[in-house]
Order: sequence, then structure tokens, then C-alpha cells
Amino acid sequence: AQTVTQSQPEMSVQEAETVTLSCTYDTSESDYYLFWYKQPPSRQMILVIRQEAYKQQNATENRFSVNFQKAAKSFSLKISDSQLGDAAMYFCAPHSGYALNFGKGTSLLVTP
Amino acid sequence: DAGVTQSPTHLIKTRGQQVTLRCSPKSGHDTVSWYQQALGQGPQFIFQYYEEEERQRGNFPDRFSGHQFPNYSSELNVNALLLGDSALYLCASSFRSQETQYFGPGTRLLVL
Repeated sequence: AQTVTQSQPEMSVQEAETVTLSCTYDTSESDYYLFWYKQPPSRQMILVIRQEAYKQQNATENRFSVNFQKAAKSFSLKISDSQLGDAAMYFCAPHSGYALNFGKGTSLLVTP
Repeated sequence: DAGVTQSPTHLIKTRGQQVTLRCSPKSGHDTVSWYQQALGQGPQFIFQYYEEEERQRGNFPDRFSGHQFPNYSSELNVNALLLGDSALYLCASSFRSQETQYFGPGTRLLVL
């Protein structure tokens, strides 16, 4: 099974500031997708952003962007202009075969 | 446009019983994946159904079984429940088996 490591169990950011969540993974595949999902206290899993491994350009979705380093198998998420509503558990999830492989998550706290 | 729906939202069972969870995919989606999320952990892949067949299975025992119907909805069955089966069960749907997966709100199962 693919190993996904999110080395930051908890992170804190002030409103309007920028925060970066890290993720590393291992895979033997050359073509795959990677995702970040957020899970607020309601536990609804919400898609944040998607990256195709064959694309060199990093994905961006409004205030959310990724830094994808394929050779290093690193996939970090940057949240700009943080808002109180960004507080949630964030999961990195590379796609392997037909399955998403989730890390243990990073809990993001946003302070006023 | 309805998203992924799951029923029931909550369920309490006793050890040894059997349970059936249900999922209706997002409109236009034909693939359903099931995940188990224990408290404080990331979701773990159980299996995926496409064209009414199990396409891939994670590391779960045969007590976990599933079915997909012609309308693409799906059921997850768990037999001989154990205390360790207590978790949030997430259903995700996608168009074709390798596209972005969208999650339902989950079913919270408590085994006493």
C-alpha cells in the first residue's frame, strides 16, 4: 500500500496570513493524481484541490495552491489569506489504482 | 444537482449483528467507493464498484461486502460486527473509476 506522510499533526495560522501544509508519499506509478481534502467538524470530506502528476504546472484554486515536486514525491498545500472557515482537518490523498490513499491529516487552527 | 447521499446518518448495533449502509452517487457518476474512517485517522479504502462489479479491494476481511445496483447506487454490508468496526463510513462517487471522488456525509456506526 502507498505510504502517505503528513508530518504536521497540528498547525496554527492567524486570519489573513499564509500557511503551508506538507505531504510526502511513495509510489511506483508514473501517472497519477493527487488531492487535498478538508474535513471540518461536521466530518463531511470536501475536495480542496487536485493535481495531475503529468502536469508540471502547480494547481491553483482561488486561495489554495500546491507545490508539487514529483521527483521528491512531495505535495504541499498553501492557503493564502486564511479565513476562520478554513479551520478543519486537511488530508493529503494520492490516487493509486482506483483508491485514494489518505495521510493521517493535519489539524489547522485559524485564530482571529 | 444532488450530491452524494448516504443513509442512515447514524446507527447503533451490537457485536455479532449485521449492518447495511446505503449510498446514492452524485448525478452523472457511475462509480462508488467506500472508505472506513476510525476516530483520529484518515479514511481507509474498503472497495470500489463500477459496472456492478468490485473493481478493487483494500485490506478488509470478507465480512465486508458490497453491491452496486443498475442505477449506480451501492450498499455496504458488514457481517459479524466487532467493536473495532465502530467508525465513520464514507461513500464517494466519481465518473469512471479514476476520476475525482466526491464524498457523501457519511454514516456513523457504533458497535456496542
